[in-house]
Amino acid sequence: AQKVTQAQTEISVVEKEDVTLDCVYETRDTTYYLFWYKQPPSGELVFLIRRNSFDEQNEISGRYSWNFQKSTSSFNFTITASQVVDSAVYFCALSVFYNQGGKLIFGQGTELSVKP
Amino acid sequence: ETGVTQTPRHLVMGMTNKKSLKCEQHLGHNAMYWYKQSAKKPLELMFVYNFKEQTENNSVPSRFSPECPNSSHLFLHLHTLQPEDSALYLCASSQELAGGHEQFFGPGTRLTVL
Repeated sequence: AQKVTQAQTEISVVEKEDVTLDCVYETRDTTYYLFWYKQPPSGELVFLIRRNSFDEQNEISGRYSWNFQKSTSSFNFTITASQVVDSAVYFCALSVFYNQGGKLIFGQGTELSVKP
Repeated sequence: ETGVTQTPRHLVMGMTNKKSLKCEQHLGHNAMYWYKQSAKKPLELMFVYNFKEQTENNSVPSRFSPECPNSSHLFLHLHTLQPEDSALYLCASSQELAGGHEQFFGPGTRLTVL
């Protein structure tokens, strides 16, 4: 069975602080994909990144960076120099590659509050 | 319009009403999804359609009835709902059904059942 755990329910930081959102996943499949989505107060989930199980390179996009470690089954997300606009709920998700489905298994989400 | 649109954005209905939620994607995708997001709960997948055919019904009560007339449109027909059905209903689409394709989400319909 597949599972995604985001142990941090809520995080509150002050603007310009760095913050890391944790994501731990479980799957027995060797081919899988990991995603991060952002859900601002408006409700729409915004796609941030996709990573496949064969690519463990870390990625940086502006203030965002992702650390994928298969050894610990983790796919953590760091925001550097956080801003108020980063306030949102962030979801980590897992998708396994089988013939039908392509289902996204979501974690519980981490609500990030960035205060000025 | 671009992306995934949903109407209405907000809906209040009584338990005896019948209403429909509409989703339209302008991305040329082949797969579409309905999710339910209740307060303090993870997203729950409800239905999956691939090339207009339903491929998954995740044990959803029959008071929710999906319809997919073509690859661009998805409806969720609601009747005799319960107060616990109040939630944010999100529609999403992806290029293909197989894993690895990111899903693009609409803004959601905030449903309140009185």
